[in-house]
Amino acid sequence: ETGVTQTPRHLVMGMTNKKSLKCEQHLGHNAMYWYKQSAKKPLELMFVYNFKEQTENNSVPSRFSPECPNSSHLFLHLHTLQPEDSALYLCASSREDFEAFFGQGTRLTVV
Amino acid sequence: TQLLEQSPQFLSIQEGENLTVYCNSSSVFSSLQWYRQEPGEGPVLLVTVVTGGEVKKLKRLTFQFGDARKDSSLHITAAQPGDTGLYLCAGARSGGSNYKLTFGKGTLLTVNP
Repeated sequence: ETGVTQTPRHLVMGMTNKKSLKCEQHLGHNAMYWYKQSAKKPLELMFVYNFKEQTENNSVPSRFSPECPNSSHLFLHLHTLQPEDSALYLCASSREDFEAFFGQGTRLTVV
Repeated sequence: TQLLEQSPQFLSIQEGENLTVYCNSSSVFSSLQWYRQEPGEGPVLLVTVVTGGEVKKLKRLTFQFGDARKDSSLHITAAQPGDTGLYLCAGARSGGSNYKLTFGKGTLLTVNP
């Protein structure tokens, strides 16, 4: 238990569906991240939020839409995804010292 | 783009053996972290090294940060099946209020009983 909770753990969605991934932390961290982990690829940073402000968008397609309503919650809204978007999506949070605490991830399958 | 190269990519050993995995970059990082990830789970932080030449020990695991803060190694003594997992290194770089971690691809370690 790292203090970062992601829901759902597993998600299967069609290419025309709209779904959202949720991440929650009560560690008092001010930075939150979305990462994508595909087979045989390094962890890919998608988005970074510091104090609720998006500070990085790593050229992520617009079919992925992040939302950070407060420093404890982070969402990733998904719509019209492609099969190649199937992956493990990891949320993490950190303080200024960069040590990242990860959630257990959401295993996403796009059919 | 800062890249972290980890080697070897795969490692399969017998219980009781020693091993070393490496994390190399051409860039300097303010700190470097090692994580272990088990199947279906998120990475869990093992250690952070900050000072060039620093050595940290965590039971049977020894972590070293290179003098130039560009590379690191993880040595495991007398490996056990419970050490099985994906070992990831991550370099930290700060730019004002922008925090960022760059991850390597990882070393997938299997320790056979």
